[in-house]
Amino acid sequence: AQKVTQAQTEISVVEKEDVTLDCVYETRDTTYYLFWYKQPPSGELVFLIRRNSFDEQNEISGRYSWNFQKSTSSFNFTITASQVVDSAVYFCALIYRGSTLGRLYFGRGTQLTVWP
Amino acid sequence: EAQVTQNPRYLITVTGKKLTVTCSQNMNHEYMSWYRQDPGLGLRQIYYSMNVEVTDKGDVPEGYKVSRKEKRNFPLILESPSPNQTSLYFCASSLQGLLAASSYNEQFFGPGTRLTVL
Repeated sequence: AQKVTQAQTEISVVEKEDVTLDCVYETRDTTYYLFWYKQPPSGELVFLIRRNSFDEQNEISGRYSWNFQKSTSSFNFTITASQVVDSAVYFCALIYRGSTLGRLYFGRGTQLTVWP
Repeated sequence: EAQVTQNPRYLITVTGKKLTVTCSQNMNHEYMSWYRQDPGLGLRQIYYSMNVEVTDKGDVPEGYKVSRKEKRNFPLILESPSPNQTSLYFCASSLQGLLAASSYNEQFFGPGTRLTVL
């Protein structure tokens, strides 16, 4: 069973629009971490954020913000005033304590295209 | 410069010819991991290592081997590659295992190795 679901395969927006990328996760563990990674067209993977299950406080970093809601098992990522440079594939990932200690589960990714 | 390096970056080979993709990190990280990325499937973990001589299977370990004899190196070995192992491979490392509470425990990825098995 898929542990991380990114239902949006592709999203296209026009520059300056706000966009939210959805991530729904599945675990019965109470201790877990959630991650977001960015993969620009150049192919490298860039770490964006890590959030633990005990910290539901939303986080903002510049134009990026993350909304963590345990009640809906979601960890959504919003880009405000999107820019062309935000075009990338974005991955959500999960690790939980009940899994073997190093196993990280990725979603299938959301391709975001920002048009000028 | 702190980094994870992989070699080769690109490789075309034939079925059955053993190959090794090297991964090295210069950050004294304990945790290292290998992933493969396939269209529509995202990244899937192949193997990971919590420290020297400690390795464990990820989601898709079949057809792969790893070793961790030194802290800095974590090679991925394909003993008898097959076309279904054609993929983009990433190595990654972090200071500690991914459940460690340290806020500095970011996972760094290598640049990727694009492997084609004919």
